[in-house]
Amino acid sequence: ETAVFQTPNYHVTQVGNEVSFNCKQTLGHDTMYWYKQDSKKLLKIMFSYNNKQLIVNETVPRRFSPQSSDKAHLNLRIKSVEPEDSAVYLCASSSGTGLYEQYFGPGTRLTVL
Amino acid sequence: GDSVTQTEGLVTLTEGLPVMLNCTYQTIYSNPFLFWYVQHLNESPRLLLKSFTDNKRTEHQGFHATLHKSSSSFHLQKSSAQLSDSALYYCALSGDYQGGRALIFGTGTTVSVSP
Repeated sequence: ETAVFQTPNYHVTQVGNEVSFNCKQTLGHDTMYWYKQDSKKLLKIMFSYNNKQLIVNETVPRRFSPQSSDKAHLNLRIKSVEPEDSAVYLCASSSGTGLYEQYFGPGTRLTVL
Repeated sequence: GDSVTQTEGLVTLTEGLPVMLNCTYQTIYSNPFLFWYVQHLNESPRLLLKSFTDNKRTEHQGFHATLHKSSSSFHLQKSSAQLSDSALYYCALSGDYQGGRALIFGTGTTVSVSP
């Protein structure tokens, strides 16, 4: 099956903990993204990664960092979670940057207590 | 910077009536790529339709939209809404993103169709 896969589906944690989310795509795409969808359903790009070039949204706090081993994987680490990090994190991929359809994974819902 | 504006936060209508969702954009690029994504409850966004050709109607699954560069618009329409159309709709622009191009999403419009 070709798609975008994310783990875990849900994660509940305490303030200050470190979390990591995984994303893998089997579509053969060369660009991957992380989005944050907040409680108001606003969808904001956090990172894009293409051919080892990382573009960071300058509004993303430094405690967030993407990690990639190859073009099919892009993980997200949050070093010390804050309550405002509670959201759904969506991974997506596309062929090429920006001009093409993006395929989204099912998302990881993070709840910070 | 590049941006997308969706003026309606919530649209409620009765099944069988027409629906139109507004989308306008602002971009530094002369060749904008516009998209409509739909997100049903407990699902992730998926592409509904896309266009980069000026004044050409694009259709998919009963929905249609026409990119008008003169008015920077890409409104989504359907002649007869169905219950299954209840969802969150995002207009998106392949726009300038820190020197490169990436999808810039509007704030989304929730459509609620009742019997």
